[in-house]
Amino acid sequence: EVHLVESGGGLFQPGGSLRLSCAASEFTFSSYWMHWVRQAPGKGLVWVSHINSDGSSTSYADSVKGRFTISRDNAKNTLYLQMNSLRVEDTAVYYCARTGGGDGPLDYWGQGTLVTVSS
Amino acid sequence: EIVMTQSPATLSVSPGERATLSCRASQSVISNFAWYQQKPGQAPRLLIFGASTRATGIPARFSGSGSGTEFTLTISSLQSEDFAVYYCQQYFHWPSTFGPGTKVDIK
Repeated sequence: EVHLVESGGGLFQPGGSLRLSCAASEFTFSSYWMHWVRQAPGKGLVWVSHINSDGSSTSYADSVKGRFTISRDNAKNTLYLQMNSLRVEDTAVYYCARTGGGDGPLDYWGQGTLVTVSS
Repeated sequence: EIVMTQSPATLSVSPGERATLSCRASQSVISNFAWYQQKPGQAPRLLIFGASTRATGIPARFSGSGSGTEFTLTISSLQSEDFAVYYCQQYFHWPSTFGPGTKVDIK
């Protein structure tokens, strides 16, 4: 069965940086677009970023553009999200998820990792 | 950006009853539309894609309909494990956007 496991969350200060990872297994990682979706405590789902299957194309929500960078290492079956210039409003559970194509449904999700930005 | 709205915000249903959830898009998304279920402390799970196709392993009591701007998720006979929050999503226009969710709770 498809397995996605996020890591790297924790408590961070405003203005700080962190890198989230998402380890993928039990599917051909290099064939799928990957996404980050976040959910603030008690709130709904918000798409953050995606990357195409070979890493040559990325896209970001306006709220994170210029601060977050998505990347992937297909040899390691791992997706990343570099988060810089953190803001309190970035506090959320961050999920990685996959789609079969760019603009498709998110068919498998990881369990999420909580990022808390607070002084 | 396409705005997705869901109604009602909360739906109170007795086990065994039918539940009907609605989602509206601010402009047409044709059938590039999905429903997700999320239980407390868990990740969302894909239920329906293409507006009406059940995802792998999803029971037949879940059905989706609609196209364009109006969509419906029907749960024909609610089971205890179906009490959760349901989100709709459009993936026709980038960025993909989600609705605010409908919470289905026990009446």
